Amino acid sequence: AQSVTQPDIHITVSEGASLELRCNYSYGATPYLFWYVQSPGQGLQLLLKYFSGDTLVQGIKGFEAEFKRSQSSFNLRKPSVHWSDAAEYFCAVGGLSGSARQLTFGSGTQLTVLP
Amino acid sequence: NAGVTQTPKFQVLKTGQSMTLQCAQDMNHEYMSWYRQDPGMGLRLIHYSVGAGITDQGEVPNGYNVSRSTTEDFPLRLLSAAPSQTSVYFCATRQGGSSGANVLTFGAGSRLTVL
Repeated sequence: AQSVTQPDIHITVSEGASLELRCNYSYGATPYLFWYVQSPGQGLQLLLKYFSGDTLVQGIKGFEAEFKRSQSSFNLRKPSVHWSDAAEYFCAVGGLSGSARQLTFGSGTQLTVLP
Repeated sequence: NAGVTQTPKFQVLKTGQSMTLQCAQDMNHEYMSWYRQDPGMGLRLIHYSVGAGITDQGEVPNGYNVSRSTTEDFPLRLLSAAPSQTSVYFCATRQGGSSGANVLTFGAGSRLTVL
């Protein structure tokens, strides 16, 4: 079965600083990788996804993520954080067969942005 | 276009009571699912359905019941609520019944407290 690890429970950055949120996955076949964001009291919204091709994917709100197969990682980055980016971020992995047809989520990283 | 609508948004139950969380979608998505979100544990899949009349268990199905009589609706039933079921519940849908590569669309969530 697949799994996702987000090692950082909580990250605090200053507005304007760069951001990297870590995500490691375990899956035996080609993974489909996602980053979702959850603002307080809201549902989850897709930031970006990786299916195949270019390993650097661009998403909404200026976010990008890089798929590194050798490291089983899919880290999320943003060059300059805005106060509105404060939220919880979830990495998820899915696939085309077996239990991977159901998405598996990491435990989330809570981002705090200081003024 | 409402997307995924969950009701109620908030509910307080006493131990042993029953209730149904409603999920309705107007996107004609084949796949519907229920997740629960608990602090530090991310989202865990409770039940899912790949089409009307078809349901299956996820990671944490005990204590919950589902049915799918129409494409639009996927209610989640708690037959005898327990304090361990205190959580935030999300309904999520996607196109394509069996592909883990497709993007999930989430409802806004239902916060349930069991006393």
